[in-house]
Amino acid sequence: LAKTTQPISMDSYEGQEVNITCSHNNIATNDYITWYQQFPSQGPRFIIQGYKTKVTNEVASLFIPADRKSSTLSLPRVSLSDTAVYYCLVENYGGSQGNLIFGKGTKLSVKP
Amino acid sequence: GAVVSQHPSWVICKSGTSVKIECRSLDFQATTMFWYRQFPKQSLMLMATSNEGSKATYEQGVEKDKFLINHASLTLSTLTVTSAHPEDSSFYICSARSISETNEKLFFGSGTQLSVL
Repeated sequence: LAKTTQPISMDSYEGQEVNITCSHNNIATNDYITWYQQFPSQGPRFIIQGYKTKVTNEVASLFIPADRKSSTLSLPRVSLSDTAVYYCLVENYGGSQGNLIFGKGTKLSVKP
Repeated sequence: GAVVSQHPSWVICKSGTSVKIECRSLDFQATTMFWYRQFPKQSLMLMATSNEGSKATYEQGVEKDKFLINHASLTLSTLTVTSAHPEDSSFYICSARSISETNEKLFFGSGTQLSVL
């Protein structure tokens, strides 16, 4: 199971771009990378998912280098409402065992 | 997108009673559901993997007789905390895996805050 490592916390200001990097050195061929956002007392919410290179959706971009040993979540122009904990998860594509282990996550604090 | 409904959102119970938490996938079938617990300011801890029609797989250190999991249908999994004690007070979250032709995604319920008095 690929273990993930992220910074414990990050601070930013409204309007800035925020990049959160996650390390997953022992990612397997069938693994893909997913990022989740969690607000206090709520379940995590899916943000973005990718396997390699770059993925972009309406809320974020995900950059994955060729060796796939890390990934970077990019949040453009953050607002106060983006203050949350962000988790990267390495999930096994097509795997039936589905042992999805969360790391400690990154607590992002956006200030005015 | 896919929706996972979890009920109740919060529950307060007396020590020694049992509490059941339901997790439903509303618009997709989930052969696999997952149960997590989360203490304040900590990450989610996987408790067990629930497979439809078979016994759940529990993580090390999780008492299967205390945390009963039933996954009787493709859209419903339940977690029963039996003989709850104050140390069982926590935030419990379920998730379900949605599989499409192109990818797999994990969708989470809104969580259940359990307080045992």
